Amino acid sequence: GAVVSQHPSRVICKSGTSVKIECRSLDFQATTMFWYRQFPKKSLMLMATSNEGSKATYEQGVEKDKFLINHASLTLSTLTVTSAHPEDSSFYICSARAPSGTANTNEQFFGPGTRLTVL
Amino acid sequence: AQSVTQLDSHVSVSEGTPVLLRCNYSSSYSPSLFWYVQHPNKGLQLLLKYTSAATLVKGINGFEAEFKKSETSFHLTKPSAHMSDAAEYFCVTRGGNQFYFGTGTSLTVIP
Repeated sequence: GAVVSQHPSRVICKSGTSVKIECRSLDFQATTMFWYRQFPKKSLMLMATSNEGSKATYEQGVEKDKFLINHASLTLSTLTVTSAHPEDSSFYICSARAPSGTANTNEQFFGPGTRLTVL
Repeated sequence: AQSVTQLDSHVSVSEGTPVLLRCNYSSSYSPSLFWYVQHPNKGLQLLLKYTSAATLVKGINGFEAEFKKSETSFHLTKPSAHMSDAAEYFCVTRGGNQFYFGTGTSLTVIP
């Protein structure tokens, strides 16, 4: 159990286009999901916290109009990179927080990541 | 505030020899600590976690970590390295809703 999927796993797009990345919790409901960005050979940087049915909370320095997050259901959060530029190229990883009252309460389960390349 | 410091950015070991990846934590209260492994272009896989139940935590693939409050450490060890252990390892602590990642240690296993 506790599987998180991401789609697509890899995307290449032209500069100026928008790209949507999906994060799904496959076998549990996640009221909270997180989006991270990872630069080559670097650690994960938290971009935003996505709460179902409300606006995402962005970390300092992350442009909310650039990285649109929608958490429309308890199993799906989406990250849209708008008007992508080459500097947005990165590895994007989502995670979902385990439900309260379970053995894994507050643990995060990570998706496999999405490699975005902007030409 | 919670944070973790991974003391080595790169570790190289020979296959069959012990592995030690070091992590120190900073926390104002009893922390939740995790070790994750990331293989190239892959997501993160949980190796083990400490949540105050036992100081010696056994994880998957033969890894274990010992929580030492006196040293504020949570080092990851494995008795005998395997080629498949070559990867990036992250020490992580949790504060409220958020996870705080160390900068990672790249493990190289030499045949």
